[in-house]
Amino acid sequence: DIQLTQSPSFLSASVGDRVSITCRASQGLGSYLAWYQQKPGKAPQLLIYLASTLQSGVPSRFSGSGSGTEFTLTISSLQPEDFAIYYCQQVNTYPRTFGQGTKVEIK
Amino acid sequence: QVQLQESGPGLVKPSGTLSLTCHVSGDSISNYYWTWIRQPPGKELEWIGYAHYSGISNYNPSLKSRLTLSIDRSKNQLSLNLRSVTAADTAMYYCARGGTFDTSGYSLDYWGQGTLVTVSA
Repeated sequence: DIQLTQSPSFLSASVGDRVSITCRASQGLGSYLAWYQQKPGKAPQLLIYLASTLQSGVPSRFSGSGSGTEFTLTISSLQPEDFAIYYCQQVNTYPRTFGQGTKVEIK
Repeated sequence: QVQLQESGPGLVKPSGTLSLTCHVSGDSISNYYWTWIRQPPGKELEWIGYAHYSGISNYNPSLKSRLTLSIDRSKNQLSLNLRSVTAADTAMYYCARGGTFDTSGYSLDYWGQGTLVTVSA
């Protein structure tokens, strides 16, 4: 199975901050990586697919980059509603796998 | 608007079978890769597998020997059956739509709200 390692696992930031989360894969994925946001008690929601394509309806402050084994999710200006857990998922190979998550909390 | 709704028992006895259904509305269950994901309390997401209306399916090897996923096109719903459950199967279970390359690069673009299943005597 492809292992995905997110860093950091925990991030404390203020409203308005620019934050970045990294996802590293144990094997090359091309661009077959997605990012999800999960708020407490809710299902995950798709933010980014194919590494850098913004899902319809997702604010433009979210962006994704990378290919191969290293990917980044960036929030350009953190908003109060962005405090959540973020997961990457590889969709290159079966079984699909997720990263362990990055919790973004208010400083 | 595509909506998914999971349903099933919230409590299953050890060694029993966990059975869930997911009703899809707002879209035909034809096409797409209808997927199950689970999340133990406080832990990360685990991909369970998918079923496609064509009969194709793909299971996580860690669950394959105990798992059956199926689709009922007449009811526009998908089902999960997980046999011989233990406490380790306690989790929130989600169904989700796996998109095509063109719709969402094979990512999970619509999710149900999830249903919590506890395995306990």
